[in-house]
Amino acid sequence: EAEVAQSPRYKITEKSQAVAFWCDPISGHATLYWYRQILGQGPELLVQFQDESVVDDSQLPKDRFSAERLKGVDSTLKIQPAELGDSAMYLCASSAGTNSREKLFFGSGTQLSVL
Amino acid sequence: QQQVKQSPQSLIVQKGGISIINCAYENTAFDYFPWYQQFPGKGPALLIAIRPDVSEKKEGRFTISFNKSAKQFSLHIMDSQPGDSATYFCAAGRSGTYKYIFGTGTRLKVLA
Repeated sequence: EAEVAQSPRYKITEKSQAVAFWCDPISGHATLYWYRQILGQGPELLVQFQDESVVDDSQLPKDRFSAERLKGVDSTLKIQPAELGDSAMYLCASSAGTNSREKLFFGSGTQLSVL
Repeated sequence: QQQVKQSPQSLIVQKGGISIINCAYENTAFDYFPWYQQFPGKGPALLIAIRPDVSEKKEGRFTISFNKSAKQFSLHIMDSQPGDSATYFCAAGRSGTYKYIFGTGTRLKVLA
């Protein structure tokens, strides 16, 4: 089965540095999501793209977080500057939008540690 | 009104036993309730889902029971196996939006 690709797998950075995460969704999936999962909690939606357009970024801390999906395929999530509280797993997911099961396909995530 | 409360936080079950995880939601507009399974180092994967027009859905050893009036739903894992050891998340949302509120997760350990 096709998978959502994410990189890097792990990222350690110092407070106030910039970090970036990359995601390549399943081919043909028009909708892409970035989630944040804090240890011991469920995933929380940060931003949703439909093709190259942002359809929901209401939970994205826009003073330090940005996300783009320029060509409507792969996507980058950036944090600048990183803060201690940003330590979490950042998950990318995609969906076909036509699946009756409404299935989100998640990648394996990027584990961010801010020191 | 956007919370999904999940319990227990952790669960230990003997092989062959029944695992039961409960969730409660607040928003009556929610009409789609999936369960996701997450293994260490992996992203969550859809396990089973239910819509409120039925009170129960079964897929293999996994069953969702849904109580619309109580705004509660639960996952039952029959004949639990060590390979079922994972973290389980319930979620709720509006059908067609693909945007869900996830519970806090239940870490299940099935003893061999």
